[in-house]
Amino acid sequence: HSALTQPPSASGSPGQSVTISCTGSSSYTSTYKYVSWFQHHPGKAPKLIIYEVNHRFFGVPDRFSGSMSGNTAFLTVSGLQAEDEADYYCSSYEGPKTVMFGGGTRLTVL
Amino acid sequence: QVHLQESGPGLVKPSETLSLTCVVSPDSISGFFWNWIRQPAGKGLEWIGHIDPVGNTDYHPSLESRVTMSLDTSKNQFSLDLMSVTVADTAVYFCARGPVWFDFWGQGILVTVSS
Repeated sequence: HSALTQPPSASGSPGQSVTISCTGSSSYTSTYKYVSWFQHHPGKAPKLIIYEVNHRFFGVPDRFSGSMSGNTAFLTVSGLQAEDEADYYCSSYEGPKTVMFGGGTRLTVL
Repeated sequence: QVHLQESGPGLVKPSETLSLTCVVSPDSISGFFWNWIRQPAGKGLEWIGHIDPVGNTDYHPSLESRVTMSLDTSKNQFSLDLMSVTVADTAVYFCARGPVWFDFWGQGILVTVSS
C-alpha cells in the first residue's frame, strides 16, 4: 500500500491561480482514477471539492478544478480568494481495498 | 443534505478500547459505504476503514489488527472499536460517507488517550 505525496505548503495572492500536486507511488492511482480533493478549515469538517480526478462536487465554485497526468493529480484554484486559505488533502484508492490520504498542503492567500 | 454526528467518550485510558458511534440523518444508512477517518493534532488525515451496505469491512493495513466496525440499520448508525489504544491514537475522529470519496462528514470528535 502506497502513500500520496503533497507539497506541505503553497501560496498565492488574491486573484492569482495556485496548483497543488498529489503524487501516488503505485499504479493504483493512475489506473483507478479515484482521486479526490478536500478543503479543510481547522476545527471544521473537511469538505469534498473534487472527486474522480476532475468532477466538482455540488456547490463547489468552478474556480476549483482537478486534473491528472500519469500518477500525479493536480488541484488548481483560480482567482484566489481569502476564504480559500485552508488545508487541502488529496485521497485515492490505493488498493487493494485501501484508501490513502496525502499529507496535506497548507494554502496561504498572501 | 446528509448529517453525521459522532459520539463517544472524549478520554480513554491506554490499553483500553476506544468506541465511537456515528448517527446518520435524515437519509437511511442503507446502500452506502461508511468510513472512519482521524487526524492527530498537527498531522494529516488518516483513513481508518469502511463498512459496506451489507457489513463487509476494509481497514487501513496499519490498524486492521485492532479495528472493528459495525452497522446498526435499526438505529441508522455505525460504530468504531479501536482496541489496545496508546497515546498515538489521540486524534480527532471523523465519520464520513462514501466508497472512495467522502461527500458528507461529521464535525469530528476529539478523543484523548491518557491515564
